[in-house]
Amino acid sequence: DIQMTQSPSSVSASVGDRVTITCRASQGISSWLAWYQQKPGRAPKLLIYAASSLQSGVPSRFSGSGSGTDFTLTISSLQPEDFATYYCQQGTSFPFTFGPGTKVDIK
Amino acid sequence: EVQLVESGGGLVQPGGSLRLSCAASGFSFSRYDMHWVRQDIGKGLEWVSSIGTAGDRYYAGSVKGRFTISRENVKNSLYLQMNTLRAGDTAVYYCARDFGSGYLDYWGQGTLVTVSS
Repeated sequence: DIQMTQSPSSVSASVGDRVTITCRASQGISSWLAWYQQKPGRAPKLLIYAASSLQSGVPSRFSGSGSGTDFTLTISSLQPEDFATYYCQQGTSFPFTFGPGTKVDIK
Repeated sequence: EVQLVESGGGLVQPGGSLRLSCAASGFSFSRYDMHWVRQDIGKGLEWVSSIGTAGDRYYAGSVKGRFTISRENVKNSLYLQMNTLRAGDTAVYYCARDFGSGYLDYWGQGTLVTVSS
């Protein structure tokens, strides 16, 4: 199975800050990576797919990059509605696996 | 509008069974792979199972042999039959649509399964 790790596990930031979250796969997954945002009590929401493609309706302050084993999600200017937990997920092979999540909270 | 609505969750004793359903609307259900993903309260996301448009099935190792995924295209419905349930299966179960290459673009609101005596 492909293991996904994320760092940091949590980050405290202020509105307007630039936030970067890293995801690493235990083996190469090309660009078969997605990022999701989840708020408490809500279902996850797809933000980024294919490592860098912005899902329709997602603000352009979100961006993704990387390929192979190392990926990043960047929020260029954090907004109040961005405080949430973020997960990466590989879809290159079964079983699909998610990272453990990165919680972004208010500093 | 795409909608996924799960049902069938509840409290069940260890060793018991439960069948989850996911009613889909707003898209051509038969053309999409579908997934079940679960999340223990306060924990991370765990992929559980997937069924393709041709009926091909995949399972997480933790549920293989105990859970069965199925779909009924004429009813626009996805199912998860869960047998020999354990305390570790306690979670919110989400159904999700795969728009291609394992990317899950629509999710239901989730249904809570609690396995406890």
